[in-house]
Amino acid sequence: KQEVTQIPAALSVPEGENLVLNCSFTDSAIYNLQWFRQDPGKGLTSLLLIQSSQREQTSGRLNASLDKSSGRSTLYIAASQPGDSATYLCASFTSGTYKYIFGTGTRLKVLA
Amino acid sequence: EAQVTQNPRYLITVTGKKLTVTCSQNMNHEYMSWYRQDPGLGLRQIYYSMNVEVTDKGDVPEGYKVSRKEKRNFPLILESPSPNQTSLYFCASGNNYGYTFGSGTRLTVV
Repeated sequence: KQEVTQIPAALSVPEGENLVLNCSFTDSAIYNLQWFRQDPGKGLTSLLLIQSSQREQTSGRLNASLDKSSGRSTLYIAASQPGDSATYLCASFTSGTYKYIFGTGTRLKVLA
Repeated sequence: EAQVTQNPRYLITVTGKKLTVTCSQNMNHEYMSWYRQDPGLGLRQIYYSMNVEVTDKGDVPEGYKVSRKEKRNFPLILESPSPNQTSLYFCASGNNYGYTFGSGTRLTVV
């Protein structure tokens, strides 16, 4: 059964720092891995999707990488801003299961 | 605009009073799913549907029903809500290129 873990659970950084959020999964037979952002009490906004055949995806200040062999994905945020404060969730879609398995998230706070 | 629309956004109801949360998507996705999100437990799948008239249980289906009579709609039905179903609910639709989530329905059962 796929398990997805995110470390750290919470992170507080000063504005301008580059930071890395980690996501680990136990079953490497994933179809894709998606990173989401969730603001308090709000829905999930898709940030980046990495297909299993890809190694990374980039969007603006965000870069996500995928290493299936080690069961890891990272989300890199460059030059962090207070507006980046939110909870970041990763989710893996494993072949044949028809569902995303979510990590419990990393709660990020960027201090002005 | 491509989106998943849930209604209502907020709902307070009493134990045992049947309710339906609607979900509609305009992306022609075959796959739709319902999740609930609870503090400390994260997001857990309730039901999913691979296509019209094809539904299956997720990890926490007890107390819920779904139907998929049309491709765009996937309502979540609580026949007899109980306080332990107080939660934040999300509908999602997707394909091989990822999921799109609705804005959520915050349900309180008293």
